[in-house]
Amino acid sequence: AQSVTQLGSHVSVSEGALVLLRCNYSSSVPPYLFWYVQYPNQGLQLLLKYTSAATLVKGINGFEAEFKKSETSFHLTKPSAHMSDAAEYFCAVKDSNYQLIWGAGTKLIIKP
Amino acid sequence: GAGVSQSPSNKVTEKGKDVELRCDPISGHTALYWYRQSLGQGLEFLIYFQGNSAPDKSGLPSDRFSAERTGGSVSTLTIQRTQQEDSAVYLCASSLAPRGGTDTQYFGPGTRLTVL
Repeated sequence: AQSVTQLGSHVSVSEGALVLLRCNYSSSVPPYLFWYVQYPNQGLQLLLKYTSAATLVKGINGFEAEFKKSETSFHLTKPSAHMSDAAEYFCAVKDSNYQLIWGAGTKLIIKP
Repeated sequence: GAGVSQSPSNKVTEKGKDVELRCDPISGHTALYWYRQSLGQGLEFLIYFQGNSAPDKSGLPSDRFSAERTGGSVSTLTIQRTQQEDSAVYLCASSLAPRGGTDTQYFGPGTRLTVL
């Protein structure tokens, strides 16, 4: 069965610093991978998705993620953190029934 | 409306009572999903509706949980005889395309259910 592991339930970075949120997946088939963001008291919003095209995927708000098959990873990055990036981020993978399997989420904290 | 809406936004109930949670998907979206988000955990799939097809109920945790989708639009998730472990945020999502590899799900703000 597919699974998703997000390393670190909380990640804290300084404003202007690099953001790196880690996601590893297990999948026996070519994966469809997603990153969603959840701002406080709001629904989840799609940041970006990998669908077997380019391995480097660019999303909204300056985020991008790189699919690395050899490492079964799909880490999310942003070169320079803004205060407005403070939120919870979820990685997800589609299973063989195209059902989304979710990671536990990582809360991103931005220090002024 | 422009997005997925859910009501109520918050619901507090007593153990043993029944609750109904409502979801209005984006107009024209044929696929509708219900998820449960417990504190500190990722989303847990509950049920999936696609058009007039029989729903995928494989994620419902017990027979106390049921859902309907009337007219291919609005959906209601019902929890009977609520238990404290049912306390969670219940999220609804809709999608223009049927469940597949590349479809994007659009989420509502959720209903926070607290069972006392």
